[in-house]
Amino acid sequence: AQSVTQLDSQVPVFEEAPVELRCNYSSSVSVYLFWYVQYPNQGLQLLLKYLSGSTLVKGINGFEAEFNKSQTSFHLRKPSVHISDTAEYFCAVSDLKLSSNTGKLIFGQGTTLQVKP
Amino acid sequence: GAVVSQHPSWVICKSGTSVKIECRSLDFQATTMFWYRQFPKQSLMLMATSNEGSKATYEQGVEKDKFLINHASLTLSTLTVTSAHPEDSSFYICSARGRDEQYFGPGTRLTVT
Repeated sequence: AQSVTQLDSQVPVFEEAPVELRCNYSSSVSVYLFWYVQYPNQGLQLLLKYLSGSTLVKGINGFEAEFNKSQTSFHLRKPSVHISDTAEYFCAVSDLKLSSNTGKLIFGQGTTLQVKP
Repeated sequence: GAVVSQHPSWVICKSGTSVKIECRSLDFQATTMFWYRQFPKQSLMLMATSNEGSKATYEQGVEKDKFLINHASLTLSTLTVTSAHPEDSSFYICSARGRDEQYFGPGTRLTVT
């Protein structure tokens, strides 16, 4: 079974500063990894995903994440945040059966990114 | 890109009544859809996996007789909360499985009074 731990429940940061949101996972099999963003009272929007290949993944809105298999981490980073980045961020993991009838996403607890002016 | 809609976006119902939430994939066919529940300031909890033309698979602890799921076509899955109680008040989100990711709907806010 897979599990996901987001180490920070809240991350306050000033506008234009860099930010890192941490995510660690555990799994006995190879996994797909995802970061989603949720704005208030909305659904989830995919920021980026790691399926295979390069461990550095670039996503939308200037975000990127690096898959580190030895540390079982998939931390999300942005070099310079904007006020509009204030939202809830979820890390998620799925086993490689995502395309099969048994594949499903397991979400972390979420991290609230608060960007201050 | 793939778009998933939910209807209604918010609903208020009285305790003891039933409410139906629709989840539609607008521009693609989804053989599998998922229903999640999210409490304030918490993560998404998977309730059930809905497969077109077959019975839904419920996660442990989810009452299948209370949360009825019907996936009658390749673009529509419905979640019916039967005999709703105030503790069922929550944000319900559906998603549809794509090739390598899930596409999420905007969510439905259910308030039971």
